[in-house]
Amino acid sequence: AQSVTQLGSHVSVSEGALVLLRCNYSSSVPPYLFWYVQYPNQGLQLLLKYTSAATLVKGINGFEAEFKKSETSFHLTKPSAHMSDAAEYFCAVLGGTSYGKLTFGQGTILTVHP
Amino acid sequence: GAVVSQHPSWVICKSGTSVKIECRSLDFQATTMFWYRQFPKQSLMLMATSNEGSKATYEQGVEKDKFLINHASLTLSTLTVTSAHPEDSSFYICSASKASPRDTQYFGPGTRLTVL
Repeated sequence: AQSVTQLGSHVSVSEGALVLLRCNYSSSVPPYLFWYVQYPNQGLQLLLKYTSAATLVKGINGFEAEFKKSETSFHLTKPSAHMSDAAEYFCAVLGGTSYGKLTFGQGTILTVHP
Repeated sequence: GAVVSQHPSWVICKSGTSVKIECRSLDFQATTMFWYRQFPKQSLMLMATSNEGSKATYEQGVEKDKFLINHASLTLSTLTVTSAHPEDSSFYICSASKASPRDTQYFGPGTRLTVL
């Protein structure tokens, strides 16, 4: 079985500050890991994904995430926050089943202060 | 590429009626489509997985007779909420993957269902 834990349901940063959103996963097989962003009343947009290639994954909008197997983590970072980054972020793991079930974390709401 | 649309974006209906939601992959053929449900301030929960031309696979606890899924073509899947009740009010989001079920899922914009 797979599970995802996002530490911190709310994160607040100042514009220009480092963004760090935490994600820990549990998987019985080598995982595929994803970060998605959701703006109010919209669907999810893929930020980046890890599929067992390079452990440091670069995504859109300046975001990146590092897969650390020893820590079972896949934290999302961005060096400098922008007001437009304010949204809800979901970490997800794709398990070993053939039909590709995505298991999502509870989400982290990012607030960016001017 | 990889754009997924949903229609309608919101719908209000009376209790006891049925509502159909469409999910379309606009610029690719979707091997597999997924239907999720999201309650306010909660995460997404997978309801069912569908492959073109075959019966959907429902997650445990999801009533297949209430949430009818049809995947008639490689670009269209529909979710019909039958005999809707207020507790069915939610945000329904579909996603689609290209080459295989384990491929990246591309999400639609969601459909807000309100049952009065």
